[in-house]
Amino acid sequence: RKEVEQDPGPFNVPEGATVAFNCTYSNSASQSFFWYRQDCRKEPKLLMSVYSSGNEDGRFTAQLNRASQYISLLIRDSKLSDSATYLCVVAGGFKTIFGAGTRLFVKA
Amino acid sequence: GAVVSQHPSWVICKSGTSVKIECRSLDFQATTMFWYRQFPKQSLMLMATSNEGSKATYEQGVEKDKFLINHASLTLSTLTVTSAHPEDSSFYICSASPGFDQETQYFGPGTRLLVL
Repeated sequence: RKEVEQDPGPFNVPEGATVAFNCTYSNSASQSFFWYRQDCRKEPKLLMSVYSSGNEDGRFTAQLNRASQYISLLIRDSKLSDSATYLCVVAGGFKTIFGAGTRLFVKA
Repeated sequence: GAVVSQHPSWVICKSGTSVKIECRSLDFQATTMFWYRQFPKQSLMLMATSNEGSKATYEQGVEKDKFLINHASLTLSTLTVTSAHPEDSSFYICSASPGFDQETQYFGPGTRLLVL
């Protein structure tokens, strides 16, 4: 089993749609969780950290379920510019593991 | 915000040649720098971790004699791919952290290597 697993997609959605990404991790001792965004042929960029209480940043909502070892990212009112690969990242014990990413295509 | 640069942004070379990639933190001192490799449609894979003035720590399966890492200063780390082969063609990304862990890391723009 991979340490961090994501649905590779791609997710093809129309503009304005709501889309949810899921991620599971295997190490119960993991302490920090992030969502990164990676555009084609570019470096990953931090989108948001994920907190146990859940957190929201504009159209983006991240949630963490430690009991199920599950992280989610919800994008509301998706824009064309949201098209990218979304990476789930899990850290702990001086080790950070990147998921393979979920590709999102938002179409007009 | 913290800025990390990489040079070159892309390189094409013949099989057997060595390629050096530079990673610089432009506006902060990077205690630790990380080197990743990413193949198409795959996740970033950590290759090695380097701290200024000390030997790099390589991840399992990464050949230290093939991927030479030097972290000579708090703002510069270099990765040299020695005797490159076509299977070394990949996207190499560095990141820099002001601390010792990966939780706060700033990524460079990456270097795309194509070995013919």
